[in-house]
Amino acid sequence: QKEVEQDPGPLSVPEGAIVSLNCTYSNSAFQYFMWYRQYSRKGPELLMYTYSSGNKEDGRFTAQVDKSSKYISLFIRDSQPSDSATYLCANGGKLIFGQGTTLQVKP
Amino acid sequence: EAGVTQSPTHLIKTRGQQVTLRCSPISGHTSVYWYQQALGLGLQFLLWYDEGEERNRGNFPPRFSGRQFPNYSSELNVNALELEDSALYLCASSLVGGGYTEAFFGQGTRLTVV
Repeated sequence: QKEVEQDPGPLSVPEGAIVSLNCTYSNSAFQYFMWYRQYSRKGPELLMYTYSSGNKEDGRFTAQVDKSSKYISLFIRDSQPSDSATYLCANGGKLIFGQGTTLQVKP
Repeated sequence: EAGVTQSPTHLIKTRGQQVTLRCSPISGHTSVYWYQQALGLGLQFLLWYDEGEERNRGNFPPRFSGRQFPNYSSELNVNALELEDSALYLCASSLVGGGYTEAFFGQGTRLTVV
């Protein structure tokens, strides 16, 4: 079993939609979780990080961790075409990534 | 402040050759991570160096190796190149390793093996 798993998609939504991106992890010792965004042919950039359980909000983005189910989520409100990218979740510490979900937001 | 820099940006090698990729972390960062990103396979963890020591290694054969220098820069070496080694190789650095790590990525080295 991989340490972090993510549905690769692709996921296609209309502009303005609410997007839900999800990951599962296997090691209950993980404390920090991160979301990165990667545009085509670029290095990933850090979007958000969360610690333990709960929600963290930053503008249109909300990161959520449910430790009981080992589930990590990223919600994007009012999605924009500029949000089209690959989104990667990762555990802090070892920095092990999921496969990434490719998102396309259509105008 | 300069970000993470990787060199070269692109290179083409022949199967069986050896290659060395280089990474300069952000000033003050002591941890360096290496990843392989082949088409459609996501970020595959290769190696993690912290304070000059190898801290963790991904599920890759021994022909993938590296090191971290006293100035915290790092090299990734790949011996006996195979066609499937063609990928984008990404380096990331962070201030400290373990626990909370805000890691910053370079733009990568695109390796093509022919």
